[in-house]
Parts: sequence; structure tokens; C-alpha cells
Amino acid sequence: EVKLVESGGGLVQPGGSLKLSCATSGFTFSDYYMYWVRQTPEKRLEWVAYISNGGGSTYYPDTVKGRFTISRDNAKNTLYLQMSRLKSEDTAMYYCARHKYMEAMDYWGQGTSVTVSS
Amino acid sequence: DIQMTQSSSYLSVSLGGRVTITCKASDHINNWLAWYQQKPGNAPRLLISGATSLETGVPSRFSGSGSGKDYTLSITSLQTEDVATYYCQQYWSTPPTFGSGTKLEIK
Repeated sequence: EVKLVESGGGLVQPGGSLKLSCATSGFTFSDYYMYWVRQTPEKRLEWVAYISNGGGSTYYPDTVKGRFTISRDNAKNTLYLQMSRLKSEDTAMYYCARHKYMEAMDYWGQGTSVTVSS
Repeated sequence: DIQMTQSSSYLSVSLGGRVTITCKASDHINNWLAWYQQKPGNAPRLLISGATSLETGVPSRFSGSGSGKDYTLSITSLQTEDVATYYCQQYWSTPPTFGSGTKLEIK
């Protein structure tokens, strides 16, 4: 059974940092590209980071570039998102999702909530 | 970035009825279009990829169609368990972009 389980969310002050993890099982992690997608309180879905299957390529939207870093450990089947200089607009539910090249995101985790507030 | 527009943010349909949810891309996406279903408290679930291909386990009352910039998700014989928000997403170009969602309720 394919499983993706996020953790690490919580309440953090503006300017603070947080590291999210996504532990996976039930599939060959190193075969898949991985995304972090967030859902805002208004229920809008937006992509925040992407990493290739080997980890050599990463991409970010301008809204988080320079503040967020995606990484993966294929030996531990785990995906990470290091978030720094957090802003109130980063408040969202954060999901990890897998996909193969030119395929849809076919499995998502259950999400971990991040609240940025003083 | 390609913008995805779901013109209806809310639809109310009778049990057993048929509903069509539309999604328009700002550029041609060559059928690289997915539909997701999200129920409250849950993650999005992939229903359809490639504009028309139903994922394993998805009831046959769901179907997708379209081409070019315009795509639709149809649900026939609406069931109570179909109450959810439906999102379209293009994955033709990076970044992948989502529609704003259509919330489906029972009339």
C-alpha cells in the first residue's frame, strides 16, 4: 500500500523556521519526482517545491524561492521541506505528493498544518 | 504560468442527477489535465488523468472530456458520497497549476 505521511507542522512566529518531513512507503521512492503542495485557508492549491527523483533538480515558485529548500533522502524514503523566514501568507496545510514525469500527482499525504502567527 | 479557471465555485445538484464541472486553461495543455476530488479533512484524490483516463477504483459515473483549452468533469447518478470540492490541474507545463475548485452539494 502506498503511504505518504507528513509531519513537522505547527505554530511558528513570523520570521521563524520549520522543517517538514514526508515519510513514504509502499513504492520505490527513488523512481518518483516529488512535490510539496500547500492549500491556503481559502482552499487554494499551490505548488511550493519540486524535486527530481535523484534529487539533482529542484524548482520553486518566486513566492518561496530563497526561503524554502526541498530535499530528499532516497535511502530513508523521505522527503523534506526546510522553510525559513516564514510569513503569515505561508499559513496553509502542506501536502507532499508523488508523480512520474508528465503524469499527474497520483498519491498525496494527509497533510501537516503550518500556522505563521505572532 | 498557465492559469486554470473553474467558472463555477459552487454547484447544487439533486441526488441521482447529472453535473458537469468545467475548467478552462489560459493556453493549450494537450490533454495533460487531471481532476481531483477533495472531501473535508482529506487530501485531494486523483480521479482522472490525461483528461479522460479514470484512475483505478473510481466509479464509472465519473468521466472526463475535452481538448485544447477546455475540459469537463461529468458525474452521472449523483450520490451523497460525491459531495466534495473538485479541482482541475494542468501538468503540461511547469509549474503545475490548479483551478480554484468547484464545491458540489446536494440540492
